[in-house]
Amino acid sequence: AQSVTQLDSHVSVSEGTPVLLRCNYSSSYSPSLFWYVQHPNKGLQLLLKYTSAATLVKGINGFEAEFKKSETSFHLTKPSAHMSDAAEYFCVVSDYNQGGKLIFGQGTELSVKP
Amino acid sequence: DSGVTQTPKHLITATGQRVTLRCSPRSGDLSVYWYQQSLDQGLQFLIQYYNGEERAKGNILERFSAQQFPDLHSELNLSSLELGDSALYFCASSLAGGRNEQFFGPGTRLTVL
Repeated sequence: AQSVTQLDSHVSVSEGTPVLLRCNYSSSYSPSLFWYVQHPNKGLQLLLKYTSAATLVKGINGFEAEFKKSETSFHLTKPSAHMSDAAEYFCVVSDYNQGGKLIFGQGTELSVKP
Repeated sequence: DSGVTQTPKHLITATGQRVTLRCSPRSGDLSVYWYQQSLDQGLQFLIQYYNGEERAKGNILERFSAQQFPDLHSELNLSSLELGDSALYFCASSLAGGRNEQFFGPGTRLTVL
């Protein structure tokens, strides 16, 4: 069965400092992994995706994630936080053998202090 | 803007009523997914349609049903509404399903009073 676990429900950083949002996955087969972001009262926006090509995946707005099979992790990072990064972030695995439904983690709320 | 549209944005109704949520996928996408986001359950997959046919089902209640029409838009019907059905309902579309990324609409916020 496919699942993801986001290790922190809330992360707080100062503007200009690095961001690390942690995610571990469980998958019966080679996973397709995604990070989505949800700003307050908005829909979900795709940040980046991993589908078994390069293990370091670059996304939008300076975010990137590294797929580590040995650690079953897919952590999201950004070198320097911006106030506009404050949002809810979801680590997601695709159950692509069953139509591609997405299985979401519980989310990590990122706060950015000035 | 993802290219996925959902109407209405907000819906307020009473227990026992029935509502219909509508979704138009991105141009060219054949797959439509419905998800429910609530405070206690998080984001949960409800149902998927591909080119007019049901492809996969999640934890969708029997009171809920969906369909995808020949023009590929989809509707989610919620009946005999209960207070606990209050949630944000998202539609997403993808090219075909499988490993393709999904693009989400802005959601419909349903409030059941």
